[in-house]
Amino acid sequence: AQSVTQLDSHVSVSEGTPVLLRCNYSSSYSPSLFWYVQHPNKGLQLLLKYTSAATLVKGINGFEAEFKKSETSFHLTKPSAHMSDAAEYFCVVSFNAGGTSYGKLTFGQGTILTVHP
Amino acid sequence: EAQVTQNPRYLITVTGKKLTVTCSQNMNHEYMSWYRQDPGLGLRQIYYSMNVEVTDKGDVPEGYKVSRKEKRNFPLILESPSPNQTSLYFCASSLTSYTGELFFGEGSRLTVL
Repeated sequence: AQSVTQLDSHVSVSEGTPVLLRCNYSSSYSPSLFWYVQHPNKGLQLLLKYTSAATLVKGINGFEAEFKKSETSFHLTKPSAHMSDAAEYFCVVSFNAGGTSYGKLTFGQGTILTVHP
Repeated sequence: EAQVTQNPRYLITVTGKKLTVTCSQNMNHEYMSWYRQDPGLGLRQIYYSMNVEVTDKGDVPEGYKVSRKEKRNFPLILESPSPNQTSLYFCASSLTSYTGELFFGEGSRLTVL
C-alpha cells in the first residue's frame, strides 16, 4: 500500500528565512508526487509535481522540491518566506505503473506553516 | 472561468436524513474525486471516477454513494447521515487521473446532529 508522512504538523519561520517542509513516502511502484497548498477557507491549489522527469521540481511562488528515491523523500523548500506563504501544505502520492495511474491519491496529514514578521 | 462548483457550501442536518452534495466541473475533465478533510487527518479519498460510468472506492467509502452519469457532474450521496460524517468535503477534478493536477472546489462544510 502507498502511504505518505509529513514529518512536521507545524512549522514556524520568520519572514525572509528559508522554509523546509518534509515529506516521506512509501510506494511499491513508481510514484508521482505533488505538493498542494490550502489557504484558510479555500480549496487546495497545486504548487508543484514530480512525475519521473527531473528530480528537482520548481513550482509556483518560488517553491521547489527534490525527489530523492534513495531516501523516499520529497521535501518542499523556499529560500525566503513571505507572509503570504502562511497556509497548510499537503504532500500527495499517486501510484503509476507502466504509465497507468490507479486513480487513488493519498494525502499526508498536512503541515501548517506560520510566518512571523 | 474554469471551476469546480460544489453545493451546498454549508449544511446542518439531522441523523438519517438523506442528503446530496453536488459537484460540477466545466473543464471537460475525465477524472473526478471526493475527499473529506478532518483535523489532523489530512484529506482522505472517499470515491473517485476515472470517467463516465466508472467509479471506485477510495480509502473511506463507508456511508457514501456516488454516481457519474455525465462527465461534468459527480454528486456525493449520504443515504443515512450519521454524526461521524460531520466534516469538510471537497470535490476535485483532473484532466486525466495520470496528470494528478487536481482542481478543487471551495468545499462543503457538513454538520450532522
